[in-house]
Amino acid sequence: GQNIDQPTEMTATEGAIVQINCTYQTSGFNGLFWYQQHAGEAPTFLSYNVLDGLEEKGRFSSFLSRSKGYSYLLLKELQMKDSASYLCAVSYGGATNKLIFGTGTLLAVQP
Amino acid sequence: DTAVSQTPKYLVTQMGNDKSIKCEQNLGHDTMYWYKQDSKKFLKIMFSYNNKELIINETVPNRFSPKSPDKAHLNLHINSLELGDSAVYFCASSQVSGTGTGANVLTFGAGSRLTVL
Repeated sequence: GQNIDQPTEMTATEGAIVQINCTYQTSGFNGLFWYQQHAGEAPTFLSYNVLDGLEEKGRFSSFLSRSKGYSYLLLKELQMKDSASYLCAVSYGGATNKLIFGTGTLLAVQP
Repeated sequence: DTAVSQTPKYLVTQMGNDKSIKCEQNLGHDTMYWYKQDSKKFLKIMFSYNNKELIINETVPNRFSPKSPDKAHLNLHINSLELGDSAVYFCASSQVSGTGTGANVLTFGAGSRLTVL
């Protein structure tokens, strides 16, 4: 079966750096995705990794190690508006290419 | 102009009733989805359509019936509602289906919160 693990909650300080880890077990891995979801709103796409390594997009970076089944999302220069749930999602399954989500990490940014 | 719009935003109804949620996307995407997010915030895929054809049908009770009249619309009808159906239902779309990474860059609608009493 497919399984995704990420911490339930994290707290960080405005201006700091935070790393949100995600581990997964799946067959037919196609890629790993990160989505942000503010309370009461829709998830929005942040980044994806298909190959090993680091992908950088402004203040957000995402890393993937396929051999370890491990990814992290790095948020730099934290702002209060970054308080949200961060969802790790794995794409698998060949042609049908399903996207399965983790339960999300609720990040609270404090002044 | 909203990219993925779904209605209604809130729906409160009694057990046993039948209800529908509508979804429309104006992004020109080929693929549309229904996801269910429960009280624990777990987001789970229910259905996916590519150009009006069903391509993903997860283990969902047959009380749930999706309908796609065209590739810009995907509606969800639920019969005989149960307490456990209470959740937020998200519609989403993506540019392509299949193994391309674009397939999983989803644009979500704002969600429809269903409460079954």
